[in-house]
Amino acid sequence: SAVISQKPSRDICQRGTSLTIQCQVDSQVTMMFWYRQQPGQSLTLIATANQGSEATYESGFVIDKFPISRPNLTFSTLTVSNMSPEDSSIYLCSVHGPMNTEAFFGQGTRLTVV
Amino acid sequence: SQQGEEDPQALSIQEGENATMNCSYKTSINNLQWYRQNSGRGLVHLILIRSNEREKHSGRLRVTLDTSKKSSSLLITASRAADTASYFCATATNTGNQFYFGTGTSLTVIP
Repeated sequence: SAVISQKPSRDICQRGTSLTIQCQVDSQVTMMFWYRQQPGQSLTLIATANQGSEATYESGFVIDKFPISRPNLTFSTLTVSNMSPEDSSIYLCSVHGPMNTEAFFGQGTRLTVV
Repeated sequence: SQQGEEDPQALSIQEGENATMNCSYKTSINNLQWYRQNSGRGLVHLILIRSNEREKHSGRLRVTLDTSKKSSSLLITASRAADTASYFCATATNTGNQFYFGTGTSLTVIP
C-alpha cells in the first residue's frame, strides 16, 4: 500500500491568485495522477506526472493553467493558476499499486475561489 | 469519454437493508474496482474484480461482473449508518495506466 500526504486540505482563495497543492508519497512511484472533482461529480483526470519528464495533460487541461512539478519519485505539486470561481473543486492526487490493481489517494484539497 | 455510468445517482435506505448500485462501462477492461469516498475526501479502495471473474465477496460486500453487458454491481448487505458515503466504480484497461471512474452513487443509510 501507499500513504499519500496531501496539503493543504482546504483553502479559500481570491480570484486571480494561484494555489500550489503538494503531495508526498511514502514510497517511490513512477507515476502520480492529479484529479479534479467538481461538486457532486466524479473524478476527472487532469494530468499524469512522471519524474524527469513533462506531465501529460488530458484534453481540456493545459500546462499554463495547471503547471505540475515532479522533482523526485515521492513528491509532486499541482498549481492552479489565475483562479476563477469555476476552479472551485476538490483536487486529488493518486498513485497506483502494483499491476494497476488499486489506486491510493491523498486526502484531497477542497478549494473555494471567491 | 470512457467514464462509466452508475445508477442510481442517489440511494437512501434504512439501516439493516441491503444496498445495490450498478456500474456500466464502455471499453474492454482488465479489472474493475469499487471505491468509497466520505464527504469529499480521498477515495478508499474496497474491492477488485478481474475480467475473468464473475463474482467476488469481501465481508459484507458482493461484486458481480458481466463483461458481455459491460456492467458490474456492488451489493452491501446489512447496511450500517457508517456506510453512508459515495461509491465509485473504476475500470482499468489492458493498455495504459489510467483508471476511468464512474459517475458515483451517493448512499445514505438512515439509522
